[in-house]
Amino acid sequence: AQRVTQPEKLLSVFKGAPVELKCNYSYSGSPELFWYVQYSRQRLQLLLRHISRESIKGFTADLNKGETSFHLKKPFAQEEDSAMYYCALGNNNDMRFGAGTRLTVKP
Amino acid sequence: GAGVSQSPSNKVTEKGKDVELRCDPISGHTALYWYRQSLGQGLEFLIYFQGNSAPDKSGLPSDRFSAERTGGSVSTLTIQRTQQEDSAVYLCASRPGSGRFNYGYTFGSGTRLTVV
Repeated sequence: AQRVTQPEKLLSVFKGAPVELKCNYSYSGSPELFWYVQYSRQRLQLLLRHISRESIKGFTADLNKGETSFHLKKPFAQEEDSAMYYCALGNNNDMRFGAGTRLTVKP
Repeated sequence: GAGVSQSPSNKVTEKGKDVELRCDPISGHTALYWYRQSLGQGLEFLIYFQGNSAPDKSGLPSDRFSAERTGGSVSTLTIQRTQQEDSAVYLCASRPGSGRFNYGYTFGSGTRLTVV
């Protein structure tokens, strides 16, 4: 079965602190993994994709097939990073999302 | 259009009434998806359209929910005899085609449905 788990519904850190949003998945094939972000009063948007191995807004995420994880990390959180973050797993047809983690970065 | 457009942005309806939610995908995008976003529930997959193929309705929560896509473009999600538990944000997304998700989805801004 295809499943995405984000174990933390809420995460709060201070500005300048490192942040890690956890994501674990289960999938029998070769996964395509994504992080989406939704800022207050904005639409859901793609943050980054595992296949591109990119860093967006200082965030990175490494696919660990052994641990079936795709955690999102940033070494120094900023207040503007406060948002709802969703991990997603795509197969050939559709994408399944985790329950989301609400990140709050305090000044 | 330039993005995925959804209407109405907000809808308040009485329990038991039917509602229709509209999605206008990006021009040329053959794949269209509906999701439901509820507090604490994440994004729940509802239905997927790809070109002229039969839609994947596996995510529809009950037979009160239906969707159609006319002319391979605009889609309408219909909820009959609405219940309070149907209250949520309904999101539409589109992407260029089937196969690997090289570019992910483009989402609309959603329709916030409140059933009173």
